[in-house]
Amino acid sequence: RKEVEQDPGPFNVPEGATVAFNCTYSNSASQSFFWYRQDCRKEPKLLMSVYSSGNEDGRFTAQLNRASQYISLLIRDSKLSDSATYLCVVNEALGGGADGLTFGKGTHLIIQP
Amino acid sequence: ETGVTQSPTHLIKTRGQQVTLRCSSQSGHNTVSWYQQALGQGPQFIFQYYREEENGRGNFPPRFSGLQFPNYSSELNVNALELDDSALYLCASSSGLADEQFFGPGTRLTVL
Repeated sequence: RKEVEQDPGPFNVPEGATVAFNCTYSNSASQSFFWYRQDCRKEPKLLMSVYSSGNEDGRFTAQLNRASQYISLLIRDSKLSDSATYLCVVNEALGGGADGLTFGKGTHLIIQP
Repeated sequence: ETGVTQSPTHLIKTRGQQVTLRCSSQSGHNTVSWYQQALGQGPQFIFQYYREEENGRGNFPPRFSGLQFPNYSSELNVNALELDDSALYLCASSSGLADEQFFGPGTRLTVL
């Protein structure tokens, strides 16, 4: 059974701090990886794809460790607007959706002023 | 905004009824995937349509069915509604079988 595990939190973090989330996945054949952000009662929005070499987009850095089947997201200089649920997402097959995206349950982040 | 639209935004049905949810994909996208998100859970894959054919299916019973039309819009049909079908139903569009999927705002279904 395919699983993506995340710490549900909530993570309560002061504005300006750095926060890191982790996620593990069970299927070693998984091909592509993403972080989505979901605000309360809204749809998930793609935050960033995660590559083996790691990637950075402004204050956000994502890392993938295939050997440990582990994905991370680092948020630097956190803003109040970063408060949301962060979903770790795995795609089992290249190019595809034959199995769809597998989502974790999400990590809830609260940035405090 | 992603350009993916869904209708209706909210719906209330009773057990045993049937429901049809609609999704219009982003311009240029020919693939639509449907997900069910229960409260406090991540979205669960229902099925995907690519060029009007079902391309894959998650662990959902046959009373969940779908269609994709020549303009790549899609419908999700659920028969014999159960209380546990109450959830947010999300559609996501993508280009071909590309990995990145973009979600619509969802339809919130309540079954009483």
